[in-house]
Amino acid sequence: KQEVTQIPAALSVPEGENLVLNCSFTDSAIYNLQWFRQDPGKGLTSLLLIQSSQREQTSGRLNASLDKSSGRSTLYIAASQPGDSATYLCAVRPGYSTLTFGKGTMLLVSP
Amino acid sequence: DTEVTQTPKHLVMGMTNKKSLKCEQHMGHRAMYWYKQKAKKPPELMFVYSYEKLSINESVPSRFSPECPNSSLLNLHLHALQPEDSALYLCASSQGLAGNTGELFFGEGSRLTVL
Repeated sequence: KQEVTQIPAALSVPEGENLVLNCSFTDSAIYNLQWFRQDPGKGLTSLLLIQSSQREQTSGRLNASLDKSSGRSTLYIAASQPGDSATYLCAVRPGYSTLTFGKGTMLLVSP
Repeated sequence: DTEVTQTPKHLVMGMTNKKSLKCEQHMGHRAMYWYKQKAKKPPELMFVYSYEKLSINESVPSRFSPECPNSSLLNLHLHALQPEDSALYLCASSQGLAGNTGELFFGEGSRLTVL
């Protein structure tokens, strides 16, 4: 059974810092990995999708990497802003099932 | 348009009421999903429809009844719910279900409170 772990569970940084969120998964047989952002009480917003054949994806200040063999992904946020404060969820799609989510990293960026 | 629209945004119901949650997408996606999310927890899969047919039911109690009238619409009918069913209900869609089917897009959710 696929398990997804996100570290740290919570992170508090001052504005302007670069930061890294970590995601690990136990079964490397995945089709893709998706990073989401969730604001309190809201739905999930897709940030980046990395296909299993890709190593990284970039969107603006966000960069996500994937190392399938080691079962790891990182989400890099450059020059963090207070508006980046949210919960970040990592999810993997195994070949045999639908998305498996991690428990998320709650990020707080203070002005 | 990458939007999944859910209505209502908020719903309060008693344990004897019957209500429905609605979800709509116009991206031509053929897989649609219902998730349940409790506070500070990740979303939990409830149902998956693929090409308007129920593909996955994650052992959800029968007081939750999904329906997919057409490829753009997904409903969740609620009847005789319990207070512990109070949660954020999220709808999502993707191009397909099997294999590498691209991104999952979520709606804003329907916040359900059962009194």
